[in-house]
Amino acid sequence: GAVVSQHPSWVICKSGTSVKIECRSLDFQATTMFWYRQFPKQSLMLMATSNEGSKATYEQGVEKDKFLINHASLTLSTLTVTSAHPEDSSFYICSAPREGGYGYTFGSGTRLTVV
Amino acid sequence: QKEVEQDPGPLSVPEGAIVSLNCTYSNSAFQYFMWYRQYSRKGPELLMYTYSSGNKEDGRFTAQVDKSSKYISLFIRDSQPSDSATYLCAMSAGFQKLVFGTGTRLLVSP
Repeated sequence: GAVVSQHPSWVICKSGTSVKIECRSLDFQATTMFWYRQFPKQSLMLMATSNEGSKATYEQGVEKDKFLINHASLTLSTLTVTSAHPEDSSFYICSAPREGGYGYTFGSGTRLTVV
Repeated sequence: QKEVEQDPGPLSVPEGAIVSLNCTYSNSAFQYFMWYRQYSRKGPELLMYTYSSGNKEDGRFTAQVDKSSKYISLFIRDSQPSDSATYLCAMSAGFQKLVFGTGTRLLVSP
């Protein structure tokens, strides 16, 4: 139980285009979704927290207009990287608290490469 | 000073060895402590979850939390090559955002 499905697993896009990453909770309702970014050989850095039906809360230094987060339902949260640039190339991972408060479950991650 | 400190490794051990992974932290408000395993280019997978101080055992894995020392450990018994991965400690003050260590890369050789 507590599975988060993340798509796509990898994507290559051209500079200036936008990319949407989806995270779906398959067997539970995710009222909260955390979005992380991970650079090679580094730990996960929290980018933003999304709550179903309300605006996302962004961490300091994360551009709201560049990383658009939508959490329109209890089972779907999306991250859109707008006007992507090569420096946005990274591994993006979503995570949701497990029901009952027993830790957090993570998506499988999306490797974004901007060329 | 980072909130959570973790030696990045790599830590190389032979198959069958006991592995000890550790993290220290500075925020005394942390109450929930987790260990995640992450294979290359995959999302983290929850291994152990502990609330407050104490020990927890699950198969070959044992997690220890010493809140007085702000120190947590993960022990892996009878390590296998399939255990080769990056191990991330993570903690939170409540059901809020997790703070991660940098991860320790473990290599178990046959």
